[in-house]
Amino acid sequence: LAKTTQPISMDSYEGQEVNITCSHNNIATNDYITWYQQFPSQGPRFIIQGYKTKVTNEVASLFIPADRKSSTLSLPRVSLSDTAVYYCLVGDKNTGFQKLVFGTGTRLLVSP
Amino acid sequence: NAGVTQTPKFQVLKTGQSMTLQCAQDMNHNSMYWYRQDPGMGLRLIYYSASEGTTDKGEVPNGYNVSRLNKREFSLRLESAAPSQTSVYFCASNKQGANTGELFFGEGSRLTVL
Repeated sequence: LAKTTQPISMDSYEGQEVNITCSHNNIATNDYITWYQQFPSQGPRFIIQGYKTKVTNEVASLFIPADRKSSTLSLPRVSLSDTAVYYCLVGDKNTGFQKLVFGTGTRLLVSP
Repeated sequence: NAGVTQTPKFQVLKTGQSMTLQCAQDMNHNSMYWYRQDPGMGLRLIYYSASEGTTDKGEVPNGYNVSRLNKREFSLRLESAAPSQTSVYFCASNKQGANTGELFFGEGSRLTVL
């Protein structure tokens, strides 16, 4: 089972760029890396997904090195509303990537 | 579109009682999932259904049963509730299964077992 490792928590201030790194040493060759955001009392919501190199959308960027053993979610100029838990997700090759198990996530606290 | 709808949103049970959490999605998705989240903790996969007619165990299946009633609906049953099952339960779905698309989550069902 491909497992992910993230920092438990991070602190930042408004306006700063935040980079959250996820380690996934056993990622399968054809698996994707997906990031989710979760606010208290809500279900997680999709932020971004990538396979290799760099992906950018209106919310974040995702950097994936050539060996794909890690990935970094980059949040530009965070605001207080970005305070949330962030999860990276990779699939389980043994189940055709159907079994989607979340890691512990990174709790981001943005202060004024 | 309603997306993923869970019922009930809140439920209080006594130890030993049974209940079923309902989940329905209107996005014509193939795969559906049930997760639980204890206070301050991460999401743990209980069961998943990669397609209509199939179900598989996740990380923490003990004490639960599931039914993929049709493509839209995926229910989670607690046969004999225990206080350790007090949690928030999330249902999720995605279009083609696997980790190649967005998982859509419901709003959660908050269960307390006394």
